[in-house]
Amino acid sequence: GAGVSQSPRYKVAKRGQDVALRCDPISGHVSLFWYQQALGQGPEFLTYFQNEAQLDKSGLPSDRFFAERPEGSVSTLKIQRTQQEDSAVYLCASSLLQGRQPQHFGDGTRLSIL
Amino acid sequence: DQQVKQNSPSLSVQEGRISILNCDYTNSMFDYFLWYKKYPAEGPTFLISISSIKDKNEDGRFTVFLNKSAKHLSLHIVPSQPGDSAVYFCAASADAGNNRKLIWGLGTSLAVNP
Repeated sequence: GAGVSQSPRYKVAKRGQDVALRCDPISGHVSLFWYQQALGQGPEFLTYFQNEAQLDKSGLPSDRFFAERPEGSVSTLKIQRTQQEDSAVYLCASSLLQGRQPQHFGDGTRLSIL
Repeated sequence: DQQVKQNSPSLSVQEGRISILNCDYTNSMFDYFLWYKKYPAEGPTFLISISSIKDKNEDGRFTVFLNKSAKHLSLHIVPSQPGDSAVYFCAASADAGNNRKLIWGLGTSLAVNP
């Protein structure tokens, strides 16, 4: 497709369950970012991939959060033992690699933890 | 500590008039600034950007102005249209190799009244 695709659009899980969120970036985009957006807030950076290499995971809130991009295209954000404070919209963005490039976003996954 | 600040949570303008959205930042290392538009239940859509080597960038009805000494930027929309009604986010990044993670403001909700 032409844009960044994220699935599922909505996910409801019980506290303690594991969830996996998928991101399919724009073809040819080397850089991939994950952000978390709480209600009424701006997005906050979670992690950055350059191809398959995770170069920055400084924004991951705890070791329950794990992201991968094994073949340098599709990425998965996994949250283990979910907690209520994990409820948020998770946004994925991709961009070209070099220079000052805009990031292009998917529509996000709205995660609700009950 | 909010490094990117949008001090107006909301703005209302008449159709055909100018909309001016403001953004302030504190980190002098930021060298690339972007505006995104967001509709409910959708991801942010890139609108326009500006590099710190410029003080103005224009794209159709949208113009972004950057005042580095004041650490201030603004987005002008002329003329405003009802379809411009959305939340507008200001974002900034610093040069950290290819990891240009975005730091976001809280957004300004723009309502353009017919």
